[in-house]
Amino acid sequence: QKEVEQNSGPLSVPEGAIASLNCTYSDRGSQSFFWYRQYSGKSPELIMSIYSNGDKEDGRFTAQLNKASQYVSLLIRDSQPSDSATYLCAVNEPRALTFGSGTRLQVQP
Amino acid sequence: DTGVSQDPRHKITKRGQNVTFRCDPISEHNRLYWYRQTLGQGPEFLTYFQNEAQLEKSRLLSDRFSAERPKGSFSTLEIQRTEQGDSAMYLCASIPLLSDTQYFGPGTRLTVL
Repeated sequence: QKEVEQNSGPLSVPEGAIASLNCTYSDRGSQSFFWYRQYSGKSPELIMSIYSNGDKEDGRFTAQLNKASQYVSLLIRDSQPSDSATYLCAVNEPRALTFGSGTRLQVQP
Repeated sequence: DTGVSQDPRHKITKRGQNVTFRCDPISEHNRLYWYRQTLGQGPEFLTYFQNEAQLEKSRLLSDRFSAERPKGSFSTLEIQRTEQGDSAMYLCASIPLLSDTQYFGPGTRLTVL
């Protein structure tokens, strides 16, 4: 069974710090990777997608992909209390997303 | 707001009753997905439509579950003879042509008493 693994947290960081969220996946053939943010009681909201090895930056967010290690990460710079949420890693397998269980991030003011 | 809408947003029902949920995707999106999410877990794939054709169903989708997308526009998900284990958030997502990015609706939260 294809799996996506995330540390459930909570990951607690002070306001203004860098938050680092990690994800590993089991299917070496996966090609598309996504990070979603989910506030309590709400639906997932797309933050970023990444398809190639290396870094992809979008504002305060940087996604990193290493297909050889089957590892995806999300860095959030200058973390804000409004970033407190659960972050879901998802892998396209290939016609449906397989999600991790999410990492809960708490940004302390 | 992604433009994907779901109705109702909340549903409370008694065990054994049937329930039906509706999803309206973004109009030009030809692919539509249903997921189920329970507390503390990520969404789990249930089924997938391309236009009106149901192309894939998860093993999670028991015989009590049925989904339709009759004209390739909105979709319905019906659960018959609900069980307490069906309590979850049911999420709909749609994808535009030539993309693999899924846009989620607000979800329908089902509580089975």
